[in-house]
This record gives sequence, structure tokens and C-alpha cells, in this order.
Amino acid sequence: DVKVTQSSRYLVKRTGEKVFLECVQDMDHENMFWYRQDPGLGLRLIYFSYDVKMKEKGDIPEGYSVSREKKERFSLILESASTNQTSMYLCASSFLDSQETQYFGPGTRLLVL
Amino acid sequence: QKEVEQDPGPLSVPEGAIVSLNCTYSNSAFQYFMWYRQYSRKGPELLMYTYSSGNKEDGRFTAQVDKSSKYISLFIRDSQPSDSATYLCAMTRTGNTPLVFGKGTRLSVIA
Repeated sequence: DVKVTQSSRYLVKRTGEKVFLECVQDMDHENMFWYRQDPGLGLRLIYFSYDVKMKEKGDIPEGYSVSREKKERFSLILESASTNQTSMYLCASSFLDSQETQYFGPGTRLLVL
Repeated sequence: QKEVEQDPGPLSVPEGAIVSLNCTYSNSAFQYFMWYRQYSRKGPELLMYTYSSGNKEDGRFTAQVDKSSKYISLFIRDSQPSDSATYLCAMTRTGNTPLVFGKGTRLSVIA
């Protein structure tokens, strides 16, 4: 059974803190993605990675960075959290040429105070 | 004009009804069309996937793509309370280009 796990379901952080969100997949997928989901705005792509140490900017990369040191793990980093980064963060993965078939994790609901 | 438009609803129907969910798009290069279902406080899951035009059926679910009108639909027959969720359409040009999502339609099926 395919599995994408995210390190936390809920997270509360203070403005200015450095925040790490981790995602692990067990399907040997090459592609991994980070999205944020906000009411009225839908799902927006922050970054994706198609290989270890490779990354591509999505639609809204500002204020975020990513790290992919191992194939199964993709981390999203908020260098200095701000209140406008309060959101639901979703990780997904897919095979290299099959972005149409993405498997999502359960999401991390982040609140920045 | 946004690339993908989807009515956010909410849509409320009685159990057993036929549900029609729709998206329109502007980019004629889109070839892959997907429907994802997202239950409350969960991640989306792929429900249906269609390549190019035509229909695809899976149990109570039918996905339709009309590329000439740039219009896709998801039909749910004999809807059940367990179908209550947000339905997201998504599309892309190729298998290695990022997905473009609609904003989702929230559906409630009332017993």
C-alpha cells in the first residue's frame, strides 16, 4: 500500500522561528512535491524535486526552501516563519514521468503566531 | 482568466442523487485530466484519471473530457453520504509537468 507520511499533523510556531516540515515516501518515487492549501486559493505548488539534491521552484517559492538528501525524504524549510505562512502544507510524490498520478500525505496544519 | 476554473460550491444533494462536478480550462495544451477527492482534514487522493478526450467509468464514477469545449466533468451516480468531500480537478500537459489544480468543489450528500 502506497504511503506518504508527514512528520506532524499540527504545528504551532512563533513569528521568526525556523520551521522544518518533513515528508517521507516508501514507493521509490523520483518526484516529490510540497504544496500549500488555503481556503479560496486551492492547492499551490511551492517546490518540487525530481531527484536527490535537485529542486525546482513552483508557483510560490518565496519564503521557503527545500532539501532532498535522500530519495525517500523531502523537507520544506521556513527560514523565518511569518503569519502569512499559516496554512495546510501537503507533500506528494510520483514516479518521474507520471506527475498526473500523485500520492499525497495527510497534511500538516501550521499555525504561525 | 485563470487557467482552471471550478465552482467552489458548496453543493448539497440528497442520497441517491446523480452529482455533476465540472471544471473549465483555458490551456488547450492540457492532455491529462484528473479528479482528486479530499476528505476533511486529509490529503487528496486520486479518484479518476483520463488522458485526452473521452469518457472513463469506474463503478459509480464517470469522468468526461471535452477538449473542444475545454470542459471536464465528474459524474457520481447513486451518491452516498460517504461521497461527502471536496473534489479537486487537476490537469497537465505532460507526465513531467506540474499539475494545475482547480480550487475544489465541496460536496455534501445528505442521508
